[in-house]
Amino acid sequence: DAGITQSPRYKITETGRQVTLMCHQTWSHSYMFWYRQDLGHGLRLIYYSAAADITDKGEVPDGYVVSRSKTENFPLTLESATRSQTSVYFCASSGDTYEQYFGPGTRLTVT
Amino acid sequence: ILNVEQSPQSLHVQEGDSTNFTCSFPSSNFYALHWYRWETAKSPEALFVMTLNGDEKKKGRISATLNTKEGYSYLYIKGSQPEDSATYLCALNAGNNRKLIWGLGTSLAVNP
Repeated sequence: DAGITQSPRYKITETGRQVTLMCHQTWSHSYMFWYRQDLGHGLRLIYYSAAADITDKGEVPDGYVVSRSKTENFPLTLESATRSQTSVYFCASSGDTYEQYFGPGTRLTVT
Repeated sequence: ILNVEQSPQSLHVQEGDSTNFTCSFPSSNFYALHWYRWETAKSPEALFVMTLNGDEKKKGRISATLNTKEGYSYLYIKGSQPEDSATYLCALNAGNNRKLIWGLGTSLAVNP
């Protein structure tokens, strides 16, 4: 299906475990973004990518790793999950226009 | 640190009322201004992207204006309907790098 998808939609993991959140878009958009959404903070940028193999830190990158070997995929890895990383994670993409198109979100709980 | 401020934080209106919200941003750091609509349990959806001072955009009953010199944008909803209930976010492009600085949003509840 066309669009932007995220998987898994829900994830429960334990402190210290590594977890990867997947993001896939079918529009061939150059730009992709990872945000986290927490009460009282709104959307905060974790990492973004301007193209394949080009990534850069956002506002809150600590504890996260990204890669972008293909234009359509932008996985986000929590190397050693902490309770403070419990959040809703949104992936977004942006093409020739400036609008960002958001995936459905992944709700991550770290116990 | 660049801040995008939105007011009011929340708003309750009756069906049929017209309403408006404000987004304020530093006028010295402007490339584009975005408005998004975010319904509960869904994802943010783009409404408008505006780049020029004096820009006015419209989509159905929703419109937006932009003043880059004084650093504000207004979002108007004419004849609010219950389905307009959502959080309305504005976000600033402060440079030509696609990164957005997000406001905390205005939460609108339209009572039938």
